[in-house]
Amino acid sequence: RKEVEQDPGPFNVPEGATVAFNCTYSNSASQSFFWYRQDCRKEPKLLMSVYSSGNEDGRFTAQLNRASQYISLLIRDSKLSDSATYLCVVNMPTGRRALTFGSGTRLQVQP
Amino acid sequence: DGGITQSPKYLFRKEGQNVTLSCEQNLNHDAMYWYRQDPGQGLRLIYYSQIVNDFQKGDIAEGYSVSREKKESFPLTVTSAQKNPTAFYLCASSPGVNQPQHFGDGTRLSIL
Repeated sequence: RKEVEQDPGPFNVPEGATVAFNCTYSNSASQSFFWYRQDCRKEPKLLMSVYSSGNEDGRFTAQLNRASQYISLLIRDSKLSDSATYLCVVNMPTGRRALTFGSGTRLQVQP
Repeated sequence: DGGITQSPKYLFRKEGQNVTLSCEQNLNHDAMYWYRQDPGQGLRLIYYSQIVNDFQKGDIAEGYSVSREKKESFPLTVTSAQKNPTAFYLCASSPGVNQPQHFGDGTRLSIL
């Protein structure tokens, strides 16, 4: 089982739609969770941290489900500019001490 | 402005040649990282450093070397032992290993 697993997509949605991505992680002791956004041929950029109680930033909502070991990202009212790859990032407390990046979920918002 | 600077933006390597990619940060971060990304793929960790004069191998360290002599700098050398070096190389830094990483804008390395 991969340490951090994401559906690669692509998710093709019309403008204005609501879309959600999930990301599963293997280590139940993980404590730090983030969502990053990566545009084509660019560096990843931090979108938001994920807190235990869930958190919202404008049209974006992130949630953590510890029992099932997944995090989610919900995007409401999708814009064309939301088209990108979304990377799930989790810390792995045992073994390698560095954040582990998922391979990403590609979103394409269509006019 | 605080940030991470990678140079050069594009680099070409000849057969049998070692090349060094530069990464400098002025964010006063303790931890620094090097990743490799192949087209359509995710990030793979090459090396990371939690503190000056210390670094650890990541998942794909073979054919690469690093140094961390100064807090601000974490150069990556792609040696001739790395037989397939063509990729997008990303450097990142963070205050600590479990905190969000900030990335430079990358170096694209190709073989001549």
